[in-house]
Amino acid sequence: GAVVSQHPSWVICKSGTSVKIECRSLDFQATTMFWYRQFPKQSLMLMATSNEGSKATYEQGVEKDKFLINHASLTLSTLTVTSAHPEDSSFYICSAQITGIGEQFFGPGTRLTVL
Amino acid sequence: QQQVKQSPQSLIVQKGGISIINCAYENTAFDYFPWYQQFPGKGPALLIAIRPDVSEKKEGRFTISFNKSAKQFSLHIMDSQPGDSATYFCAASMGAQKLVFGQGTRLTINP
Repeated sequence: GAVVSQHPSWVICKSGTSVKIECRSLDFQATTMFWYRQFPKQSLMLMATSNEGSKATYEQGVEKDKFLINHASLTLSTLTVTSAHPEDSSFYICSAQITGIGEQFFGPGTRLTVL
Repeated sequence: QQQVKQSPQSLIVQKGGISIINCAYENTAFDYFPWYQQFPGKGPALLIAIRPDVSEKKEGRFTISFNKSAKQFSLHIMDSQPGDSATYFCAASMGAQKLVFGQGTRLTINP
């Protein structure tokens, strides 16, 4: 149980385009989902906390207009990187939290490369 | 105060040996302390977690030791195997809030 999927697993796009990443909790409902980015050999950096049916809470320094987060249902959250640039190239990972319980379960990650 | 400090950055252990990774925190309001294992190109996977009402938790070859007074917790991997070679992250949170991650430890088990 507690499986989280992400789609796509990798994406290559041209500078200036937008990319959408999906995060799904497959066998449980997640009131809260989190979005992280991870640079090579570094720890996970929390970008935003996404609550179903409400606006996401962004961490300091994360541009909310660039990283659009939607959490429309208890099993799906999406991250859209708008007008992507090479510096946005990174490994994006989502996690889902079982409602009422602290454990977070992570997706397999999405490798974004912006040319 | 929100930081979790993890050490060492990298660790090399012989097969069959004990791997030990340490973490320290400042915020006494933290009440959930998980360890995650991450392989290259993959998302982190929850390995084992502990809450401050116990001093030790064991699951198979993995043990968390928790010292509330010292605000430290550690992961012990017994009988370390080459398949354990990965990056390990400790983390902490308050209730069901966001996790604060340590810097990570790259573990290599030599055959």
